[in-house]
Amino acid sequence: DTEVTQTPKHLVMGMTNKKSLKCEQHMGHRAMYWYKQKAKKPPELMFVYSYEKLSINESVPSRFSPECPNSSLLNLHLHALQPEDSALYLCASSQNRQMNTEAFFGQGTRLTVV
Amino acid sequence: EDQVTQSPEALRLQEGESSSLNCSYTVSGLRGLFWYRQDPGKGPEFLFTLYSAGEEKEKERLKATLTKKESFLHITAPKPEDSATYLCAATSGTYKYIFGTGTRLKVLA
Repeated sequence: DTEVTQTPKHLVMGMTNKKSLKCEQHMGHRAMYWYKQKAKKPPELMFVYSYEKLSINESVPSRFSPECPNSSLLNLHLHALQPEDSALYLCASSQNRQMNTEAFFGQGTRLTVV
Repeated sequence: EDQVTQSPEALRLQEGESSSLNCSYTVSGLRGLFWYRQDPGKGPEFLFTLYSAGEEKEKERLKATLTKKESFLHITAPKPEDSATYLCAATSGTYKYIFGTGTRLKVLA
């Protein structure tokens, strides 16, 4: 099973709302990632978790707050977003951070900020 | 600086017309070269991992090859369902997958 499950698939939120994106994998992977993807652009790394600890924050604004409750789950908490934050948000996982194995991606959450 | 460049940006093929997509990389200490397929509005789907020059991998109509400077994704006798964006990514000793900008493939029936 190489599945990464993301919920919800679609989300519309106002600029004053608080919402969360969820990601789950059961492959025993110890590295998990959040990516942001705009139309016709490649995925852009936001955060890396390794063994449930935040190891990389790619200078992401504080209105995005990641959380890794356990080795299978990854959340992204959203607060006071801007319309330019509208994008496809992708979760991915890989065996570890050694970067010699493939990452598996979820189907993404299409976020629209109004 | 590590970099991955894909060409062409877009490609239109007739059904059955074989072609190749290119992924050039400048990465110090390549750990892996990865190919993904992405359908509109969906997450990238893993296709292949290549580790060393000369390596080849095949899956149905797709074949990926790797040299010291580039990788090719060969598509043999494509079908309309092969239409998608194909992304390649490289990794070195850093923590990120370095993606190219992708090739948007359209196969016409």
